[in-house]
Amino acid sequence: DGGITQSPKYLFRKEGQNVTLSCEQNLNHDAMYWYRQDPGQGLRLIYYSQIVNDFQKGDIAEGYSVSREKKESFPLTVTSAQKNPTAFYLCASSIQGVKDNEQFFGPGTRLTVL
Amino acid sequence: AQSVTQLGSHVSVSEGALVLLRCNYSSSVPPYLFWYVQYPNQGLQLLLKYTTGATLVKGINGFEAEFKKSETSFHLTKPSAHMSDAAEYFCAVSEWYAGNKLTFGGGTRVLVKP
Repeated sequence: DGGITQSPKYLFRKEGQNVTLSCEQNLNHDAMYWYRQDPGQGLRLIYYSQIVNDFQKGDIAEGYSVSREKKESFPLTVTSAQKNPTAFYLCASSIQGVKDNEQFFGPGTRLTVL
Repeated sequence: AQSVTQLGSHVSVSEGALVLLRCNYSSSVPPYLFWYVQYPNQGLQLLLKYTTGATLVKGINGFEAEFKKSETSFHLTKPSAHMSDAAEYFCAVSEWYAGNKLTFGGGTRVLVKP
């Protein structure tokens, strides 16, 4: 089955630690996205990538970093510089270059800072 | 910049009653609009989308939405609510000209009473 996988489902981190969230897709999509979800605020874009080895900052990129070394993988690192990292993180992908194409979402990772 | 406003963060309906979720958008270009549903601790699933053509769009699970350009609205309806409709619903507008990014509304949580 084609889809997007995110791991782990739950992640606990101590303050001052960096953590990396995994996102893998087998949909052969060029574009991938990371969103942060907080209660009552909808989803906010952290980073996105339209092609391998290239990515752009979204609306709330501070304290986060990404890489796109392979088409199917787009890991997100939450660094110690992120002041309030506790949230639900969603990864998505879509076909590039098609105006009306929707994004497909993974099941999410819930990060809690202790 | 584009924006999406969802009126009402929580909506309570009785089983069998009409579900109406409101979405208004602002966009400087012809919009591509989406409704997604999210069940607890899961990713987002596409309900329906408007791109061009017919302004009344039918989606999955009996939902439909009507695009009204003059009102900059894209309200979501379902004639008869079912218990399984209890979830959070997100309206989004696509920046198809810039990496196919999505701008989301704050979400509306639907509670269905028996």
